[in-house]
Amino acid sequence: AQSVTQLGSHVSVSEGALVLLRCNYSSSVPPYLFWYVQYPNQGLQLLLKYTSAATLVKGINGFEAEFKKSETSFHLTKPSAHMSDAAEYFCAVSEARGSASKIIFGSGTRLSIRP
Amino acid sequence: DAMVIQNPRYQVTQFGKPVTLSCSQTLNHNVMYWYQQKSSQAPKLLFHYYDKDFNNEADTPDNFQSRRPNTSFCFLDIRSPGLGDAAMYLCATSRGTGSSTDTQYFGPGTRLTVL
Repeated sequence: AQSVTQLGSHVSVSEGALVLLRCNYSSSVPPYLFWYVQYPNQGLQLLLKYTSAATLVKGINGFEAEFKKSETSFHLTKPSAHMSDAAEYFCAVSEARGSASKIIFGSGTRLSIRP
Repeated sequence: DAMVIQNPRYQVTQFGKPVTLSCSQTLNHNVMYWYQQKSSQAPKLLFHYYDKDFNNEADTPDNFQSRRPNTSFCFLDIRSPGLGDAAMYLCATSRGTGSSTDTQYFGPGTRLTVL
């Protein structure tokens, strides 16, 4: 069975600092990995996805993630944090479920930005 | 813009009083999903429809039912809400390619309060 583990339930960085949110996966097959962001009282918005085309994936809002098979990692980064980045971030892996898909979510990381 | 719409955004019901949450989509996707997300937790899949085929998760309580009258609409019915059913309910859609790359797109959610 596939799974993802997010290291750190809460990360706090200063505005303008590097954002690094950690995610490790476990999968016996090539994984398809996603990062979603959830703002307070909102649904989940797709930030980026890895589908084996390129190991460095660029997403929206200046975020990117690098797939590292040797480390079984898919960490999310942004060079310079903005106050509007404060949100909950979920790493996820997808598997086929019949004609649909099933997302296995990590436990989430809440990102806070200090002025 | 193509999107997933959920109404209402906030719903208050009384203990034991049936409630229906609504989801519609303009993406023309084959699959519609319902998730339950409790505070500070990852979303949990309740069930999904591929077209008119209903697929229930094994641990979804019987108290939760769903209807999909057409491609665009899907409803979540909670027959007798308990205090433990207070949560954010998220609707999502996907094309239904049968592949792990089948990306899910989420609506803004309905926050349910049970008094």
